[in-house]
Amino acid sequence: EVQLVESGGGLVQPGGSLRLSCAASGFIFSNYAMSWVRQAPGKGLEWVSGISGSGGSTHYADVVKGRFTISRDNSKNTVNLQMNSLGGEDTAKYFCVKEEDILLPAAVPFHHWGQGTLITVSS
Amino acid sequence: DIVLTQSPDSLAVSLGERATINCKSSQSVLYGPNNKNYLAWYQQKPGQPPKLLLYWSSTRESGVPDRFSGSGSGADFTLTISSLQAEDVAVYYCHQNYATPYSFGQGTKLEI
Repeated sequence: EVQLVESGGGLVQPGGSLRLSCAASGFIFSNYAMSWVRQAPGKGLEWVSGISGSGGSTHYADVVKGRFTISRDNSKNTVNLQMNSLGGEDTAKYFCVKEEDILLPAAVPFHHWGQGTLITVSS
Repeated sequence: DIVLTQSPDSLAVSLGERATINCKSSQSVLYGPNNKNYLAWYQQKPGQPPKLLLYWSSTRESGVPDRFSGSGSGADFTLTISSLQAEDVAVYYCHQNYATPYSFGQGTKLEI
């Protein structure tokens, strides 16, 4: 059974940094790309970033490019999201999602989502 | 970047009646080599992550009731719930996985 468990959420001041992690299990981690999708309170879904199975290819939404960095550790089955220069617009629940291919974009969309971790940017 | 626009933003339908949600893409999401539309539909209930209902415009995910169906090609798509059940109350999102940055529609809130 695929399991995705996010951690690292919490309250951070504007301009601050935070690092999210997602622990994956139930599948051969290095064979699949991974993405992060966020959802502001009461709002819709927004794709944030994705990384290929090897970690050699990364993709970002324009609104986070240059501030967020996605990485993965295939020896530990984890994917991370380093978030810098955070602003109120980054307040959201961040979901870790499993892609259905080793590369992005995948032919099949997200089947598996974590429960999410909440980031609140506020002074 | 591909922009997805859903209509309506909210919808009230009686139990047993049909619900129809539309999704219009700013460009075609038809992938030529396999002739598949990279357009999916998700259902999200409060406090839960989204659940995949349909992909490739009309392919139903395993376990999804057959009252859910999808249609459309190119840039215009429709999600239809043929006979609304109480458990179908949720927010529905279309999503394109044709190209990064991936995008979602703004969501349609379905109520009874």
